[in-house]
Amino acid sequence: AQTVTQSQPEMSVQEAETVTLSCTYDTSESDYYLFWYKQPPSRQMILVIRQEAYKQQNATENRFSVNFQKAAKSFSLKISDSQLGDAAMYFCAYISNFGNEKLTFGTGTRLTIIP
Amino acid sequence: EAGVAQSPRYKIIEKRQSVAFWCNPISGHATLYWYQQILGQGPKLLIQFQNNGVVDDSQLPKDRFSAERLKGVDSTLKIQPAKLEDSAVYLCASSFSKGAKNIQYFGAGTRLSVL
Repeated sequence: AQTVTQSQPEMSVQEAETVTLSCTYDTSESDYYLFWYKQPPSRQMILVIRQEAYKQQNATENRFSVNFQKAAKSFSLKISDSQLGDAAMYFCAYISNFGNEKLTFGTGTRLTIIP
Repeated sequence: EAGVAQSPRYKIIEKRQSVAFWCNPISGHATLYWYQQILGQGPKLLIQFQNNGVVDDSQLPKDRFSAERLKGVDSTLKIQPAKLEDSAVYLCASSFSKGAKNIQYFGAGTRLSVL
């Protein structure tokens, strides 16, 4: 079974600084997608960024970028120029493109932005 | 474009009572998901619909949980009778179709407290 591990329950960063959230996953598949979702206090899960396993280039979305290391099964999220609105729970998630196409989430990292 | 709508936002019930949650997916989305998110954990899939058919309900506690999507649009999730351990946020998500390449969009969830 696929598992997703987020080893940092909490992180904090000064406003305007850069922070990196870690995620590792375990799978025997080669074709899959990885995601970072943001969950603010409003509870709605918002997609931050998506990475397809077959794409070697790391995905970027404005201030958000990932470091995807397929061999190491690592998928970290870098947030540049942190803003107060970035404060939220961040969940790493995995879904296989073959067979059991079920979205599996990690336990989340709570990010605090220090003004 | 309207997002995934859920109601109610909050619900407090006593154990052994019944409760129902409602979800209206994004227009045109064929696939609908219900997730359970226990405090401190990532969401866990309960059931997945493709149109009005069940694709995966392997994680649904069928002795007390039921879900339907009769016309392939709106969906309801019911718990009867509720237990203390059912206290959680219930998230609904939808995607254009099933398959890993289709992004899941989430609603704001219903927070259930069972006393």
